[in-house]
Amino acid sequence: AQSVTQLGSHVSVSEGALVLLRCNYSSSVPPYLFWYVQYPNQGLQLLLKYTTGATLVKGINGFEAEFKKSETSFQLTKPSAHMSDAAEYFCAVTAIQGAQKLVFGQGTRLTINP
Amino acid sequence: NAGVTQTPKFRVLKTGQSMTLLCAQDMNHEYMYWYRQDPGMGLRLIHYSVGEGTTAKGEVPDGYNVSRLKKQNFLLGLESAAPSQTSVYFCASSPASPETQYFGPGTRLLVL
Repeated sequence: AQSVTQLGSHVSVSEGALVLLRCNYSSSVPPYLFWYVQYPNQGLQLLLKYTTGATLVKGINGFEAEFKKSETSFQLTKPSAHMSDAAEYFCAVTAIQGAQKLVFGQGTRLTINP
Repeated sequence: NAGVTQTPKFRVLKTGQSMTLLCAQDMNHEYMYWYRQDPGMGLRLIHYSVGEGTTAKGEVPDGYNVSRLKKQNFLLGLESAAPSQTSVYFCASSPASPETQYFGPGTRLLVL
């Protein structure tokens, strides 16, 4: 079985500050990991994903995430926050072998202060 | 290329009524999914399909049925709606698993 825990349901940062969103996962098999973003009243959009290979992955809108197997974490960062980054962010995991199902964390709402 | 579309966008039902939510994708994806989103719980998988004519249960399938008669369409049915089914429903599709899933805009359902 797989599970995802996002640390912090709400995160608030100032415009221009570092964005750091935390995600821990549990998986009995090698995982694929995803970060999705949801803007108000919209569906989810993929930010980035880790499958295999390089543990630092780059995504859209200046976001990147690092897969740390020893810590079972997949942390999302952006060096300098924009007002347009205000949204809800979801971490998700699925198994490399044979699974078709994403397991989502509960989400982190990111607020950007001017 | 519309991607994933969902019909309707919003619906109000009375307890015990039935309805069908329609999901359509024009990307020729094999896999399709129905999720529900509730505050503080992320998205939970209701049912999914790995190809035309196939369906399987997800994490929270009770009270829902699905059908995938055509590759491009995935229908979610509520036979007898309950207030606990008030939620936002998202459909998604992907070309294979575990590739990126593409999400529709959602359907807001209120059951009174």
